[in-house]
Amino acid sequence: KAGVTQTPRYLIKTRGQQVTLSCSPISGHRSVSWYQQTPGQGLQFLFEYFSETQRNKGNFPGRFSGRQFSNSRSEMNVSTLELGDSALYLCASSLELAGYEQYFGPGTRLTVT
Amino acid sequence: AQSVTQLGSHVSVSEGALVLLRCNYSSSVPPYLFWYVQYPNQGLQLLLKYTSAATLVKGINGFEAEFKKSETSFHLTKPSAHMSDAAEYFCAVSEKNNFNKFYFGSGTKLNVKP
Repeated sequence: KAGVTQTPRYLIKTRGQQVTLSCSPISGHRSVSWYQQTPGQGLQFLFEYFSETQRNKGNFPGRFSGRQFSNSRSEMNVSTLELGDSALYLCASSLELAGYEQYFGPGTRLTVT
Repeated sequence: AQSVTQLGSHVSVSEGALVLLRCNYSSSVPPYLFWYVQYPNQGLQLLLKYTSAATLVKGINGFEAEFKKSETSFHLTKPSAHMSDAAEYFCAVSEKNNFNKFYFGSGTKLNVKP
């Protein structure tokens, strides 16, 4: 079974631009979560989508948004990029089962200059 | 909200020595607990998980962890370190009523000396 895939793997953007990252979950997984990983803040939860609805949200500004499609693929968007948005963005998918683990993709490395 | 504390951002052991990585969580209700490993430029890989079954959990690559409710701990151990174990390790918890929202510790980088 194919794992979680994320595209693109690397991205360089300029301050003020916007960016869209894509995530394809493991087949059969309907929950998709997004995390931001930085050296200073570690792994922080951005949001979770299930059946095309945002079900959980972390403490990030409204510039960070996401969506999920009917095939469970998800995208996240960051508008008006800031230098501090430079990070590894990880997507994880999971079954809708309590105690079930999340499976992570390789991440998208975003650099904002 | 949950919080997870990993004591020691860097741990160094010799090859063949015991590995002990510490994790404490804050919750009055035992949550679900996980250990993940991350190699450079990769995503996170699940090592093991605790979901209120046996308190001693065995995972991949010879790792195991023991859930101790009285100490709110879930420390990760491996009897004999290999060079290939050098990576960053993350402890994570999820709530029983919000189980797809994970809270991660700050991570522990394990260095294995030859």
